[in-house]
Amino acid sequence: GEDVEQSLFLSVREGDSSVINCTYTDSSSTYLYWYKQEPGAGLQLLTYIFSNMDMKQDQRLTVLLNKKDKHLSLRIADTQTGDSAIYFCAETLEGGNKLTFGTGTQLKVEL
Amino acid sequence: GAGVSQTPSNKVTEKGKYVELRCDPISGHTALYWYRQSLGQGPEFLIYFQGTGAADDSGLPNDRFFAVRPEGSVSTLKIQRTERGDSAVYLCASSHRPGTSGDNEQFFGPGTRLTVL
Repeated sequence: GEDVEQSLFLSVREGDSSVINCTYTDSSSTYLYWYKQEPGAGLQLLTYIFSNMDMKQDQRLTVLLNKKDKHLSLRIADTQTGDSAIYFCAETLEGGNKLTFGTGTQLKVEL
Repeated sequence: GAGVSQTPSNKVTEKGKYVELRCDPISGHTALYWYRQSLGQGPEFLIYFQGTGAADDSGLPNDRFFAVRPEGSVSTLKIQRTERGDSAVYLCASSHRPGTSGDNEQFFGPGTRLTVL
């Protein structure tokens, strides 16, 4: 079955790096995603990684994928107060049409 | 251009009542998805439409839930005999073509918050 887990809460100081972690159990995952959800707003896709990659960098965001351990992480460099939100990892299976989301990590950025 | 829109933004109803939630996808998007997000949880898949037909309804929790997309654009999620456990935010998403992949992004609407008293 599919099960995606995340730690619930992370607090960092402005300017520091944030690392949000995610573990998944289905080895058939083909794409893994990071979404951001702010209060009252829809889910926003931040970045994604294909399962045959182990790293992807996009401006302040770095995604690391350890397929052996089924571990995905999102690093946000120079974290800003505007990065405060809930972050969800999600996976999709080969040939699939739906996203399976984790429980979400609430990131709080303090001054 | 306009994103995915959902109406109403909030719906309060009484236990046992019938509700309809509407989703307007991005124009030209053939794939449409419904998800449900309970408090403190991530979204959970309900149903996926490819054009007018429901290609995957495996996430619908029971037969009180039904969704339609008669003209391949707007979709309505219908919930009969609502229960307190149905209270959640119902999210709609659309993508340009079927098949979830990195370059075929699902664009999400702001959701409808359903409260069943």
